Amino acid sequence: ETGVTQSPTHLIKTRGQQVTLRCSSQSGHNTVSWYQQALGQGPQFIFQYYREEENGRGNFPPRFSGLQFPNYSSELNVNALELDDSALYLCASSPDRGYGYTFGSGTRLTVV
Amino acid sequence: KQEVTQIPAALSVPEGENLVLNCSFTDSAIYNLQWFRQDPGKGLTSLLLIQSSQREQTSGRLNASLDKSSGRSTLYIAASQPGDSATYLCAVHNAGNNRKLIWGLGTSLAVNP
Repeated sequence: ETGVTQSPTHLIKTRGQQVTLRCSSQSGHNTVSWYQQALGQGPQFIFQYYREEENGRGNFPPRFSGLQFPNYSSELNVNALELDDSALYLCASSPDRGYGYTFGSGTRLTVV
Repeated sequence: KQEVTQIPAALSVPEGENLVLNCSFTDSAIYNLQWFRQDPGKGLTSLLLIQSSQREQTSGRLNASLDKSSGRSTLYIAASQPGDSATYLCAVHNAGNNRKLIWGLGTSLAVNP
């Protein structure tokens, strides 16, 4: 399997709801990172997982959480959605440090 | 703390021109540097990856250089085409246990027919 696949591609949620975004990484990619990209901004690092453990986190509150599974898939969960959470959420994977990252096409989340 | 800066923020050129996009970073302790392209509302496409031990990488009309000691990278686009219009982002892969990418804000390129 090649490439990074994210689902869903688009999502509309109401403020206060919870959302789960999914990412399927390339086989053998044991590092996965999640990024938030607001309109007109560069990607902002949310957190990173290496071999199913979180090993880095950006300036995001605890209501942003994640999981990485042994089958190279991962999830980003956001609780108590706020209007400012509206953004493109990007997943990226890498086989190991020193290698480049491959990005998925992203999930466009709109909170109303 | 690693900081990445891209210059210029925006660029508009006529079709056929050769152009250079610049990326600078403050900490030379990196694993690699990656150039990405992003079309409006879309995800990121990796263009070139330069390992810290390398000086340059080439792919078609694209050439990226890396001078780690001075904290600089350039992306050279030869014979630009309207299809090259996009935002180009530079990201540095920090050394150390935290493996996150540090991003520039990008250069928005418009190639006019």
